[in-house]
Amino acid sequence: IQLTQSPSFLSASVGDRVTITCRASRGISNYLAWYQQKPGKAPKLLIYVASTLQSGVPSRFSGSGSGTEFTLTISSLQPEDFATYYCQQLDSYPLTFGGGTKVE
Amino acid sequence: EVQLVESGGGLVQPGGSLRLSCAASGLNFRNYAMNWVRQAPGKGLEWVAGIGGSGDSTDHADSVKGRFTISRDNWKNTLYLQMESLRAEDTAVYYCAKRTAWQFDSWGQGTLVTVSS
Repeated sequence: IQLTQSPSFLSASVGDRVTITCRASRGISNYLAWYQQKPGKAPKLLIYVASTLQSGVPSRFSGSGSGTEFTLTISSLQPEDFATYYCQQLDSYPLTFGGGTKVE
Repeated sequence: EVQLVESGGGLVQPGGSLRLSCAASGLNFRNYAMNWVRQAPGKGLEWVAGIGGSGDSTDHADSVKGRFTISRDNWKNTLYLQMESLRAEDTAVYYCAKRTAWQFDSWGQGTLVTVSS
């Protein structure tokens, strides 16, 4: 299953509403997770099963979608949110990640 | 608190071998599927291999099938990745990650593998 993220790069400012899209090459129900990665650090889980917020993640992050189209939304971008975001499908092996979206 | 600590990375020549380890603490290790994910320099994340909690079921990405083998020792709370016939394109930071249902909710800090002559 291929995951296509868009855009690859996103220029935004503090306070902006940011939306990232992830499209799957075939239906994956809601078995999609979103991760945030900062340079030199391991990825951090933000959202799982498409829309469930991981414990400790700020509520400005939200996820939606099912089937083949998913979105990650940051309602009001904060300075610590400048990072690269990845989607991942866990519907079937081989597990796959999207190509990433760098928010700068 | 769950802690995953990778080790075993380093510089290896093309065609060489390396075994990575991931020591887990703060969890009932045998209850969780574990995975390896890698990231080539400046590139995105690539899933490499996964193993069930008992170790009976494994899956490997096509890019490493027949060269890499994932395994685990539940008595030692340790995950392994045996890498053979290494190629330049295997150069990456390798992360171990704990899977809970439908997400990877804990990750190690990563270990760098460099394949070069």
